[in-house]
Amino acid sequence: AQKVTQAQTEISVVEKEDVTLDCVYETRDTTYYLFWYKQPPSGELVFLIRRNSFDEQNEISGRYSWNFQKSTSSFNFTITASQVVDSAVYFCALSEEAAGNKLTFGGGTRVLVKP
Amino acid sequence: GAVVSQHPSRVICKSGTSVKIECRSLDFQATTMFWYRQFPKQSLMLMATSNEGSKATYEQGVEKDKFLINHASLTLSTLTVTSAHPEDSSFYICSARKRTPANTGELFFGEGSRLTVL
Repeated sequence: AQKVTQAQTEISVVEKEDVTLDCVYETRDTTYYLFWYKQPPSGELVFLIRRNSFDEQNEISGRYSWNFQKSTSSFNFTITASQVVDSAVYFCALSEEAAGNKLTFGGGTRVLVKP
Repeated sequence: GAVVSQHPSRVICKSGTSVKIECRSLDFQATTMFWYRQFPKQSLMLMATSNEGSKATYEQGVEKDKFLINHASLTLSTLTVTSAHPEDSSFYICSARKRTPANTGELFFGEGSRLTVL
């Protein structure tokens, strides 16, 4: 079974629309970390956020916000008022302490923001 | 923030040759580095975990004789693709974990190296 599932493979929106990316994870570890990364066409991974399993507070950073719900094993990511520069592939990832903290990535969601 | 540098960023080689990719942590010591591989339009797949001064741990299905990993110092890990073939063409990304316990779980990624084997 996949440990990190990003059900949406591709999302297309028009500029200024909001877009929410889903991420569902699976782990038996009590201590783990969840991440979101952005991968623009240039290929490098841009770190967006890290959340540990003991911190369920939602977070907002500019136009980005994250909703962590342990009860549903989800860590969803919302981009508000999307811009063309937000076009990229976004990866959700899980790091489990019991697994030596290596990252397991979801399949990624390609976001295309049209002007 | 911490910086991880990969070199080369792009490499084109002939089939049968070997290619070495370097991953350096520029401003911190990394006891552990991870090597990922990404095929076009796919996710990142962990290839191996590299620990300083010891042998790398390879994920299932990754040929250790094909992908040689060396972590000779706390700031450098290298991945050598031996006798490369066109199917080895991929984007290889390394990540490094800071040594201090306070940063457990936090990884820093290199810019990636795109390998094209002709």
